[in-house]
Amino acid sequence: SQKIEQNSEALNIQEGKTATLTCNYTNYSPAYLQWYRQDPGRGPVFLLLIRENEKEKRKERLKVTFDTTLKQSLFHITASQPADSATYLCALEMDTGFQKLVFGTGTRLLVSP
Amino acid sequence: GAGVSQSPSNKVTEKGKDVELRCDPISGHTALYWYRQSLGQGLEFLIYFQGNSAPDKSGLPSDRFSAERTGGSVSTLTIQRTQQEDSAVYLCASSLGGSYNEQFFGPGTRLTVL
Repeated sequence: SQKIEQNSEALNIQEGKTATLTCNYTNYSPAYLQWYRQDPGRGPVFLLLIRENEKEKRKERLKVTFDTTLKQSLFHITASQPADSATYLCALEMDTGFQKLVFGTGTRLLVSP
Repeated sequence: GAGVSQSPSNKVTEKGKDVELRCDPISGHTALYWYRQSLGQGLEFLIYFQGNSAPDKSGLPSDRFSAERTGGSVSTLTIQRTQQEDSAVYLCASSLGGSYNEQFFGPGTRLTVL
């Protein structure tokens, strides 16, 4: 069956360091992958989208990589700040013409001052 | 402009009662989605609308769950004969439709079934 895995354990890092979050998937052939940020009590907010033919995407301090051979995406936050503390969700859509996103369970990031 | 809004923000109900959850998408967004998020869990897809039609209802957990969308805008998710396991945050999202478009989420409705 289709499965998306994100590290369920919280990631604790110090301010200024680079945070790296992992999203692995099986039995998928996603046309693209999206990353969202979710704060407590709020809905997810879109951050970045990367297509299957793109290896890397950047936006300010954020960088996403997409390795369709490894079936893995890495999400990096450089020069992390306490305000980056949140849960980060990856989501995949299969290239079926549907627009349904399948979400991972998310990884909680805690950035300490 | 206004984002996706949902009402009520919180709903407490007794087991066996019916509830209606409302979603107002961003104006002009043709696609609308409902998700459920249980405590500490990821988002579970429930149903997707393109316009007023629902090409994918595969995520509805049981026949107690139904949803409709009217006028290509407002959507209502109805849960009949609620059970305690229905307690969760119900999130609505909208998008421009088509692939490669981000989804814009509302703040969610927290449903508690006693």
